Order: sequence, then structure tokens, then C-alpha cells
Amino acid sequence: GAVVSQHPSRVICKSGTSVKIECRSLDFQATTMFWYRQFPKQSLMLMATSNEGSKATYEQGVEKDKFLINHASLTLSTLTVTSAHPEDSSFYICSASLGGNSPLHFGNGTRLTVT
Amino acid sequence: GQSLEQPSEVTAVEGAIVQINCTYQTSGFYGLSWYQQHDGGAPTFLSYNGLDGLEETGRFSSFLSRSDSYGYLLLQELQMKDSASYFCAVRLPSGGSYIPTFGRGTSLIVHP
Repeated sequence: GAVVSQHPSRVICKSGTSVKIECRSLDFQATTMFWYRQFPKQSLMLMATSNEGSKATYEQGVEKDKFLINHASLTLSTLTVTSAHPEDSSFYICSASLGGNSPLHFGNGTRLTVT
Repeated sequence: GQSLEQPSEVTAVEGAIVQINCTYQTSGFYGLSWYQQHDGGAPTFLSYNGLDGLEETGRFSSFLSRSDSYGYLLLQELQMKDSASYFCAVRLPSGGSYIPTFGRGTSLIVHP
């Protein structure tokens, strides 16, 4: 149980375009999901906390207008990278938990390459 | 702010035992978790300590000492497939959610 599906796993896009990444909790409801960015050989950097039915909470330094998060249902959160630039190329991962302080379950990540 | 310190790299041979330490400085504490991440993959949950002491899950064990703000992950009977990055993490309540913070990760290299 507690499976999180993330799609797409890889995407290549041109500068200036937007990319949407989906994160779904397949067998549980997640009122909260988390979005991370990870550079090679580095830790997971929390970008934002996605709350169902309300605005996302962004970490300091993360541009909310560039990284649009929508959590329209209890099983789906989306991250849209708008007007992508090569420096946005990274590994993006989502996670969710069954609630409270329970363990985090991660999606398989999305490798974004902006050319 | 929150900070978790762990070694950047640990090497060991197959069959050995290795310990990955994690010290933390947090405003409040609600337990220490450990996650494993293979190259190119997603992190997976390994273990959680909410109270002092040792938690054992097969070949992996995790220990916590809240008075020392310290924990470790112990991997026994190392296998080549254990080569991965290991992250300690805490979650702290904020705005109704438990917000995660991860250590920088320890790269474990297992040699034959």
C-alpha cells in the first residue's frame, strides 16, 4: 500500500515552454503532498508543500509564479514549471504520507531537461 | 532553522557492518527517519525512531538518543545492492503539516 505515482519520468523541453508534472497517490488520500528538487549527488531540497483545496506553501527562495502547484483533489497534485530555462533542469520528486508524522512515500521522480 | 549532519561518504566491503551517523539541531523534535535512494531512483523509507533506543528491521537497524540529538543507521551483512545514498530526516509541524527536512545524504559504496 501507500503507492505514489509520478508522471512523466523524463521530459525534454525547449526554453520558454511550460512543463506539467503529476503526482498521484494511488491507494490512499493525501491532503498534503511535498515537492522537491534534487541536483546530482545532493540532498532533497523541499520546494513547496501542496495542500488539497488551498494554496501551496512555498519554501524561501522558490518562485511561486514559476513553479505553479495545484492540488485539486485528495489524490492528485501537479507542479508546472513555467517558462522553463536550462537552469531549471533537475530531478523533481513528489512525496505524500498517510497523515501526521507517518513515513513519506515518494514518486519515482521526473528528470527535466530544458534545452 | 533545522540542520542534520551526516558523513558524505562511507565505504565498506561485502558482508561487513557499517554505521551511518546523523546529528541534528532542530526546533522541536518528532522523530528521526531514514531513507535509501539508489542512483536515479526515488527515496524509500527504511526506518523511524520516535523514542530512544534501537529499532531493528531485518539487516537494517536504527538508533536514537534524544539527549545527544544523535542517531545512526546500522547496516549488517552488507550486499552490493546496498550501495546507495542514505538520508536522515526529521519532520516538524508547521501550519497543520509535518514539514520534512533531510540531511545532505551519505553515499555508501560497497566493495566486493
